[in-house]
Amino acid sequence: SQKIEQNSEALNIQEGKTATLTCNYTNYSPAYLQWYRQDPGRGPVFLLLIRENEKEKRKERLKVTFDTTLKQSLFHITASQPADSATYLCALHTGTASKLTFGTGTRLQVTL
Amino acid sequence: GAVVSQHPSWVICKSGTSVKIECRSLDFQATTMFWYRQFPKQSLMLMATSNEGSKATYEQGVEKDKFLINHASLTLSTLTVTSAHPEDSSFYICSALPGQGGTEAFFGQGTRLTVV
Repeated sequence: SQKIEQNSEALNIQEGKTATLTCNYTNYSPAYLQWYRQDPGRGPVFLLLIRENEKEKRKERLKVTFDTTLKQSLFHITASQPADSATYLCALHTGTASKLTFGTGTRLQVTL
Repeated sequence: GAVVSQHPSWVICKSGTSVKIECRSLDFQATTMFWYRQFPKQSLMLMATSNEGSKATYEQGVEKDKFLINHASLTLSTLTVTSAHPEDSSFYICSALPGQGGTEAFFGQGTRLTVV
């Protein structure tokens, strides 16, 4: 069956450290993968997109890797801040019409 | 960035009544919009794909007669939950794709529906 799993439901780290979130998928062959941030009671906000032929993408303190052999994407936030606390969702483009299938999300908590 | 406005942000309705949720792309045209539902501590589940000028495509298990979708213009899609029941209480979110073949979807702020 098709699955998208994010490593843990919750991740707690100390301010200044690097947060690493994992997204694993099975039985999909996505052309690209996206990461979103979602705050409580709000819609997701787009962060980064990485294509199947790209190994790594960066944007400010964010870095995404995409390994189509391992069927895994890693999402890194360096020099994390309490304001980074949110739920982070990975999403795969699956099927036609640019449909997104979302992972279960990881709730990140950055403490002082 | 592009803005998608969803209205209302929250609504409480009585069981058996219908509720309409609007999704507007404010500064771009969206040929395709998507409707999702999210239950507490769960991920977004795609309900249907809405295409301007044509019938919506529903995901398996989603009742098209219960969740009516209308995409009458390139900037507006509506979702009507008909004969709502308490189990329909959820967080409904829309997203819109700019232009043709866009890859970055912009999401509305969501609508919290509570059916009592």
